[in-house]
Amino acid sequence: AQSVAQPEDQVNVAEGNPLTVKCTYSVSGNPYLFWYVQYPNRGLQFLLKYITGDNLVKGSYGFEAEFNKSQTSFHLKKPSALVSDSALYFCAVRGGNTGKLIFGQGTTLQVKP
Amino acid sequence: GAGVSQSPSNKVTEKGKDVELRCDPISGHTALYWYRQSLGQGLEFLIYFQGNSAPDKSGLPSDRFSAERTGGSVSTLTIQRTQQEDSAVYLCASTVRVANYGYTFGSGTRLTVV
Repeated sequence: AQSVAQPEDQVNVAEGNPLTVKCTYSVSGNPYLFWYVQYPNRGLQFLLKYITGDNLVKGSYGFEAEFNKSQTSFHLKKPSALVSDSALYFCAVRGGNTGKLIFGQGTTLQVKP
Repeated sequence: GAGVSQSPSNKVTEKGKDVELRCDPISGHTALYWYRQSLGQGLEFLIYFQGNSAPDKSGLPSDRFSAERTGGSVSTLTIQRTQQEDSAVYLCASTVRVANYGYTFGSGTRLTVV
């Protein structure tokens, strides 16, 4: 069965420093991977996805993610964090032909000035 | 509309009462999903609708939960005889087609059962 793990409940980083939010997955077949962000009292906003192609995927708001098949990882990264990046981040994998998403538990990113 | 609209945004109900949550997907989006976001539980899939096909109900947690989608557009999630463990944020998402993977989520309905 498809599954996603986000090993960190919270990541703290200083503004201007690089950030990484970790995600590992377990799928049968080719993985279709996603990152979403959720700001307080808001729905999920799409950041980026990996379906096929280049292992480095660039997305919204300066975020990028690297697909690593050997390590079954899809870590989210940003070279320089902003205070406004503070939010809850979800990694997800497609589960089955219906396109439903299987989400990780979420990681809270806290960027401090 | 421009986005996925959910109503009400907040709902407080007494234990044992029935509730209906509504989702208006983006016009032209054929696929619609319901998810539940519980504190400490992350996001869990509930149900999926695609056009006129039979819905995938595999994520519904009990027979107190049901959903329908009328005319391939608006969807209603109904919870009967609500329990306190049903308290969560219920999110709806739609996409133009499954292969597109361009899911758009609504802002959710926060359900509190007291």
